[in-house]
Amino acid sequence: AQSVTQLGSHVSVSEGALVLLRCNYSSSVPPYLFWYVQYPNQGLQLLLKYTSAATLVKGINGFEAEFKKSETSFHLTKPSAHMSDAAEYFCAVSDLNTGKLIFGQGTTLQVKP
Amino acid sequence: SAVISQKPSRDICQRGTSLTIQCQVDSQVTMMFWYRQQPGQSLTLIATANQGSEATYESGFVIDKFPISRPNLTFSTLTVSNMSPEDSSIYLCSVDGQRNTEAFFGQGTRLTVV
Repeated sequence: AQSVTQLGSHVSVSEGALVLLRCNYSSSVPPYLFWYVQYPNQGLQLLLKYTSAATLVKGINGFEAEFKKSETSFHLTKPSAHMSDAAEYFCAVSDLNTGKLIFGQGTTLQVKP
Repeated sequence: SAVISQKPSRDICQRGTSLTIQCQVDSQVTMMFWYRQQPGQSLTLIATANQGSEATYESGFVIDKFPISRPNLTFSTLTVSNMSPEDSSIYLCSVDGQRNTEAFFGQGTRLTVV
């Protein structure tokens, strides 16, 4: 069975600082991995995805993530946080046969001025 | 990409009543998914809705409580039946992209049961 663990339910950074949101996965087959962002009172927006091509994936809004098979990780980073990055972030793994997404518990990112 | 419209965007309902949520997609899709996001929680899959067949429910969710319709390839409904305050959640409709490489989400329906 596939699963996702996000380390840290809340992360607080200062504006301009590095953002690092951690995600580890468990999968018996090569996974498809995703990061989604949810702004207050909105649906989910795809930030980036890994689908077995390049291990370093670049997404929208300056975010990127690196797939590390040896560490079963897919951490999300952004070099410099902006106030508008404050949101809930979800890591997810896809069941390739069914298309279902299995989500992590989410990480709330707070950006302080 | 796919554009998904969900209705209603929010509602406040009395316990014991039922609410039907609609999900409309701007293109034909094979599978549609319904997720629940309880307050402060992550998303949990309720069921997969396939056109022309009964929905497939995940463990912990049953058809009597969450009946689903899928009359065509662009539309689905989820009904939350006999509601209780524990059903207060955001309900999201989702469709898969090409070869399951991306999922698109509606804006969600924020349900409050009083």
